[in-house]
Amino acid sequence: GAGVSQSPRYKVAKRGQDVALRCDPISGHVSLFWYQQALGQGPEFLTYFQNEAQLDKSGLPSDRFFAERPEGSVSTLKIQRTQQEDSAVYLCASSTHRDTEAFFGQGTRLTVV
Amino acid sequence: EDQVTQSPEALRLQEGESSSLNCSYTVSGLRGLFWYRQDPGKGPEFLFTLYSAGEEKEKERLKATLTKKESFLHITAPKPEDSATYLCAVGSGSARQLTFGSGTQLTVLP
Repeated sequence: GAGVSQSPRYKVAKRGQDVALRCDPISGHVSLFWYQQALGQGPEFLTYFQNEAQLDKSGLPSDRFFAERPEGSVSTLKIQRTQQEDSAVYLCASSTHRDTEAFFGQGTRLTVV
Repeated sequence: EDQVTQSPEALRLQEGESSSLNCSYTVSGLRGLFWYRQDPGKGPEFLFTLYSAGEEKEKERLKATLTKKESFLHITAPKPEDSATYLCAVGSGSARQLTFGSGTQLTVLP
C-alpha cells in the first residue's frame, strides 16, 4: 500500500477485555515502531521491531502489553485485561532503517470504559 | 535520558504573520532531529530530518534549522491550512526510537 495502515481506527473496550490492534507497514520497511499518544502529548515509544525480531520493548508499560511481527511485515499490539489508563491513541510507524524518517499510520484510538 | 522541550505550547498567528517554533533538546549523541506535522485525528506527517548543526531544510513556507542545542521551525507568511500541531523528535545514540516533544499547536487565522 501507499502508506502505513492501522485497524481498527477506533476501539471501545470494557475494562478487563482483551484487545488487538493491527499495523500494516509500508512494503519493504524493515523497522516498525509502536507508540502511545495521550491527548495533548507527543507520542511515547512502546516497542521496536527489525524484521520479525523485537529488539526493544522497554517502553511497554506493563506485562499486559504484548507485540508481535511474526513474518516481518504485519504487526499486532495486544493489550490484555484493559484498564482505563490504557485509553490513548496507539500509533504504528515504519521506516527503511532505524536512522531514516519514520512514516506513521493514522492510529487506533482506544477508549476503555 | 533524552529530553525534548517545545515552545510555545500554543501559537495563534494572523494569516501572513511570520513566526518561529522552538525545539530544545538534550541527547547523548544526536543521530537526527525530526519535524512532524499532526492534524487532529491523524498520525504525524513527516516534514524534515536534520543531522548536524548548521543544517537547514525548506519546504514551501517552512524552514527548519539546527544548532547544537535547539532547532527552529520558521513559518513564513503562514496560511490557515498551516494550522496543525508541530512535533519535534530526536533520535540518539544506540536508541532505535524517537523521543518526542509535546508539540506546538499552531492556529493561523484568516
